[in-house]
Amino acid sequence: GNSVTQMEGPVTLSEEAFLTINCTYTATGYPSLFWYVQYPGEGLQLLLKATKADDKGSNKGFEATYRKETTSFHLEKGSVQVSDSAVYFCALPSINDYKLSFGAGTTVTVRA
Amino acid sequence: NAGVTQTPKFRILKIGQSMTLQCTQDMNHNYMYWYRQDPGMGLKLIYYSVGAGITDKGEVPNGYNVSRSTTEDFPLRLELAAPSQTSVYFCASSLPGAQGGNTEAFFGQGTRLTVV
Repeated sequence: GNSVTQMEGPVTLSEEAFLTINCTYTATGYPSLFWYVQYPGEGLQLLLKATKADDKGSNKGFEATYRKETTSFHLEKGSVQVSDSAVYFCALPSINDYKLSFGAGTTVTVRA
Repeated sequence: NAGVTQTPKFRILKIGQSMTLQCTQDMNHNYMYWYRQDPGMGLKLIYYSVGAGITDKGEVPNGYNVSRSTTEDFPLRLELAAPSQTSVYFCASSLPGAQGGNTEAFFGQGTRLTVV
């Protein structure tokens, strides 16, 4: 079935540093790809998504491009802030059995 | 919009007790899910449902039961609570995707459960 492999953390950065979190996927067909974010003490919320190859999802300064050739969907932000401290999950739906597959999550801490 | 609402937010159970975690959504979503998240770990799927009257097991169903009598509600039942069930539980819902899969999921705020 469909699955994702996500770079594990934790990742600690200084404010204004560049952030990359790697995500690669295995899938039948070309499902939508998602990045979710979980702020401390909260549930997951959708950060961005891409629905087809070469699509770029973006939100809150974060970007990720759906790369069919490398089966990747890496998350990037050019200048992180303390408020970006959170756990980030890569995810994709399973076309045939209705399940969502999540990566293990990457904990990001941004220091002032 | 309320979205996905979970109750309670916190609960402490004694070993052997039982309880029901409530989940309701007001978005008319067909698909609903229960996940657990252990400290420092990712999400593990407990049960899911593709519509009223239909439920199926996820990765870690043992010790849990679910029902889906309406589109809106998807309660999770813990029977004979054990320390291994100490976790944060998340309910989520989604619509079917265009290709027969699902679209993005909307999550509740979570229930933090401690079994002592």
